[in-house]
Amino acid sequence: SQTIHQWPATLVQPVGSPLSLECTVEGTSNPNLYWYRQAAGRGLQLLFYSVGIGQISSEVPQNLSASRPQDRQFILSSKKLLLSDSGFYLCAWSPRAGWTEAFFGQGTRLTVV
Amino acid sequence: AQKVTQAQTEISVVEKEDVTLDCVYETRDTTYYLFWYKQPPSGELVFLIRRNSFDEQNEISGRYSWNFQKSTSSFNFTITASQVVDSAVYFCALSEPITSGTYKYIFGTGTRLKVLA
Repeated sequence: SQTIHQWPATLVQPVGSPLSLECTVEGTSNPNLYWYRQAAGRGLQLLFYSVGIGQISSEVPQNLSASRPQDRQFILSSKKLLLSDSGFYLCAWSPRAGWTEAFFGQGTRLTVV
Repeated sequence: AQKVTQAQTEISVVEKEDVTLDCVYETRDTTYYLFWYKQPPSGELVFLIRRNSFDEQNEISGRYSWNFQKSTSSFNFTITASQVVDSAVYFCALSEPITSGTYKYIFGTGTRLKVLA
């Protein structure tokens, strides 16, 4: 069966520090991959999606970037964190073929101080 | 552009009451999917249901039921005889095709349901 792993679960980082959140999917190949952010009391905002290795699409301009170095690995990064980057980050995947739901990781709660 | 609206920010009910969570969507696509997810306090999104645009039959799963009406662009979720364990944030979502086999998922802002004992 397919599983998605996301780490770390929580992170407290100072303003101006770098960020790297990692997500990996097991049990499937060539998945669509997504990074979402949930700000406090708000909905889920799609940040990036990827349809293949090295293929990244950004949904909103921001201080973050994403990379997909391997088929089932998706990384969210920042060179210098801002206070506004605080939030709950969720990685998700969906199968390439067919209409189906997305499956989410357990999330990373990031607090920038 | 696709949009999902969940006008109810927070709902509180007493245990055993029925509760309906509203979802209204906007899309220009003729083929699309709608979803409901549950986000318990742990934070992970749990998939509840998927519904395609050609199937307007109501769906029932235990205490959960869903009413899809294309005429009003709504996909409402009802919990019958609510329980404390139903307390969570519930998200409605809409699929948006990007390329063949690839979709984005547009989420509403969520409805926080509090079921009081």
